[in-house]
Order: sequence, then C-alpha cells, then structure tokens
Amino acid sequence: QSVLTQPPSVSEAPGHGVTISCSGSGSNIGNHGVNWYQQLPGEAPKLLIYYDTLLPSGVSDRFSGSKSGTSASLAISGLQSEDEADYYCAAWDDGLNGYVFGTGTKVTV
Amino acid sequence: EVQLLESGGRLVQPGGSLRLSCAASGFIFSEYWMTWVRQAPGKGLEWVANIKEDGSVKFSVDSLKGRFIISRDNANSIVFLEMDRLTGEDTGMYYCARGSDPDHWGQGTLVTVSS
Repeated sequence: QSVLTQPPSVSEAPGHGVTISCSGSGSNIGNHGVNWYQQLPGEAPKLLIYYDTLLPSGVSDRFSGSKSGTSASLAISGLQSEDEADYYCAAWDDGLNGYVFGTGTKVTV
Repeated sequence: EVQLLESGGRLVQPGGSLRLSCAASGFIFSEYWMTWVRQAPGKGLEWVANIKEDGSVKFSVDSLKGRFIISRDNANSIVFLEMDRLTGEDTGMYYCARGSDPDHWGQGTLVTVSS
C-alpha cells in the first residue's frame, strides 16, 4: 500500500491539458524532492521531473511539476497521443527509510 | 550514454532463490547509489532496495528484509539483488536504476515464480 496517493486515471482530448496530483505527508513530500516518472506501455519508467520542478535534458517543456506542502502535481499541456502512459510520483520517506512511489495515474488522450 | 542491463530473471519454483545482476556503463559507477525497483504484472512500481556508492549503507523495504539482499561490485560496475524464499508475489519485472532518487533505468528482467 503506497503512502503517496494519485488519482487512478485522467482523460482529456488532444491539445488540452491535465494535472495529476500526488498527496503525501511530512515524512516524504513535505521533506524531500519529488520525482515524476512516465511509463509508456511495455517500457521501463523514464524520469520526467526531478526535485519537484526540474526537467531532465530531452524532456518536453509541455511537462511541468510543482509542489506545495505535502502535495505535488504534474501538469501536461497540449496533450498528444504519445503522452498516453502511466505516471508515478515518488519521494524518499524518512519514516519508512525508503523510496516510495505513488499509486500511479493512467493518462488517456 | 548511461546504460543499465539487467539479467538473471527466469522461471523459478516457489521457495527457490535467484540472483539478479545489473551491469552499468556510461558513467562512473562508484560515484552513484544504485536502486532496485520491481513491478508485478499490471501493478504499480515498488521500490525494493538501494545501496550507497561504496556499499557501506543499504536500505530495503521492510516487507522484504531478510529475503532480498542488495550488493555491488564497483570493480566491475555491477549491482546485484539476491532473492531467497521466493513466492508468487515476487513475480514481476525487476528494474535497476541509477541513484537514490533514480534517474536512469534499465529495461528490466522478468522473474516468474511458479510451479
């Protein structure tokens, strides 16, 4: 059972935008940077956002991250069919002494 | 280019053991924490364990302690995951990744526990 809660699914038309929430606590999101991962069907996860808001080289600027208190969000603008994937937030958790992933959100375009 | 290549996954009987390997290249292996993450079929990602650059510190998920052990060989840029007393719940794809907050991931190796 994950300590980071995400909506199971979101759906939006091409060209529109979506926001995925990630709710945690003071021992994880509230005290550590949040990463976001994209997992395309049948593929390994890929880092999308690190340290709450930063984009790795090569990641489209249609993706953006934010954080407030013990919650984080991933926004995707100008949705494209290739954005259909599962998205996971993640952060270190001091109480568990481990890295925790969110429950995952399936994005349908 | 960072590359992580997992191997060792296969069909194993319940109660059996397995050792997974992850060969790293394209970066200075001894300067990074390394992590194992697994994913059961149709399920989400589950962090398994990580290990400090020099192997002196290891963390693992409580539910797997005593059965799964992470280790590394910096001379050959390999990280291992020893798995013991395997059950059907251990079936899934096992990924190795670079860093304690993983950035680069391998393609995974499939472990199937079944009789």
